[in-house]
Amino acid sequence: QKEVEQDPGPLSVPEGAIVSLNCTYSNSAFQYFMWYRQYSRKGPELLMYTYSSGNKEDGRFTAQVDKSSKYISLFIRDSQPSDSATYLCAMSGNAGNNRKLIWGLGTSLAVNP
Amino acid sequence: DGGITQSPKYLFRKEGQNVTLSCEQNLNHDAMYWYRQDPGQGLRLIYYSQIVNDFQKGDIAEGYSVSREKKESFPLTVTSAQKNPTAFYLCASSIDREPETQYFGPGTRLLVL
Repeated sequence: QKEVEQDPGPLSVPEGAIVSLNCTYSNSAFQYFMWYRQYSRKGPELLMYTYSSGNKEDGRFTAQVDKSSKYISLFIRDSQPSDSATYLCAMSGNAGNNRKLIWGLGTSLAVNP
Repeated sequence: DGGITQSPKYLFRKEGQNVTLSCEQNLNHDAMYWYRQDPGQGLRLIYYSQIVNDFQKGDIAEGYSVSREKKESFPLTVTSAQKNPTAFYLCASSIDREPETQYFGPGTRLLVL
């Protein structure tokens, strides 16, 4: 079993839809949870960053962490064609080797006008 | 503008040839990373460096070498020992105490002739 599981999709939605992207993990030592967005043939960019549990909102994006279920989510409201990209989850622990990022495979999202 | 640059954008390698990928950052970040990205495999860590003149192997270091003579620069050499080098190579950097927030370059696509 991989430490981080992420459905690669592809996920196709109409413009304006609410998108839900998810990752599950097995290592209870993870404390930092990140979502990166990667456009085709570009480097990833950090989108959302959460420490420990809870929700974080930034504009149309909301990140949720449920440590009891070892499950993280990224919600995109009012999705736009410009949101079409691959979304990568990443996570890490607190100290030493646990600070190394563990990456999901990425979910490919297409938002259709 | 602060950021990370990678060159070249595309690189072609002949059998038995060593090639070097360039990565430069002007973000004054201590830590730098090299990842390899293959379809369906996500990001895999090749090498990372937390300080000048020091670096550590990642998960797939065999067939690769790096140097860190300057804070701004972290070149990656793909040696002839790497039998399957075709991939998208990504360089990243971060503040050493915040490895979760990594800034990525635009990537180099390496192809074998």
